[in-house]
Amino acid sequence: ETGVTQSPTHLIKTRGQQVTLRCSSQSGHNTVSWYQQALGQGPQFIFQYYREEENGRGNFPPRFSGLQFPNYSSELNVNALELDDSALYLCASSPDRAGGYTFGSGTRLTVV
Amino acid sequence: AQSVSQHNHHVILSEAASLELGCNYSYGGTVNLFWYVQYPGQHLQLLLKYFSGDPLVKGIKGFEAEFIKSKFSFNLRKPSVQWSDTAEYFCAVTTDGAGNNRKLIWGLGTSLAVNP
Repeated sequence: ETGVTQSPTHLIKTRGQQVTLRCSSQSGHNTVSWYQQALGQGPQFIFQYYREEENGRGNFPPRFSGLQFPNYSSELNVNALELDDSALYLCASSPDRAGGYTFGSGTRLTVV
Repeated sequence: AQSVSQHNHHVILSEAASLELGCNYSYGGTVNLFWYVQYPGQHLQLLLKYFSGDPLVKGIKGFEAEFIKSKFSFNLRKPSVQWSDTAEYFCAVTTDGAGNNRKLIWGLGTSLAVNP
């Protein structure tokens, strides 16, 4: 148990569908980041939220969007799913913005 | 653009052997450096981190890393590996800036297999 909980753990979706992934962080962790990890690759930064505002974004299209809530939970939404979106999606939170993140176990998304 | 390079993609060692995994980054300013480990079927865990101060950092499970600023390196070491160290190891960097610069930039990872 890391203190960062992600749900669901596994998910299968059809191409073109929309998906929402959820993350619950530790109390006081004002920064949350989302990462995509393809098989055999390192995590790729999607975006980061600090105090409910997006303050950084990686090279992902606008169909990847997110929200952070006052209760330290957050969401990653992906619209118009593509086969290449199949990956492990990781949520990581930190009490500050310096990068000492705690990671959740991830959501394994499969797009068929 | 900032990047992180891990030199070894796959490493195979016998128990009790010494380990050194290379990590180099490209960024001329202040950096925060991390090593994460991902055991089979488990989540990413922080092994150690460097923000400032003593460039030799000690982490969990007997791991240490040395920040050499002149070489833009942050190599991970362990004097004697165990079978339970079999895992994927990732080097990551954040730059000391606001907003987007706080993102973790990752290496591709090194897969370590320790034979008993």
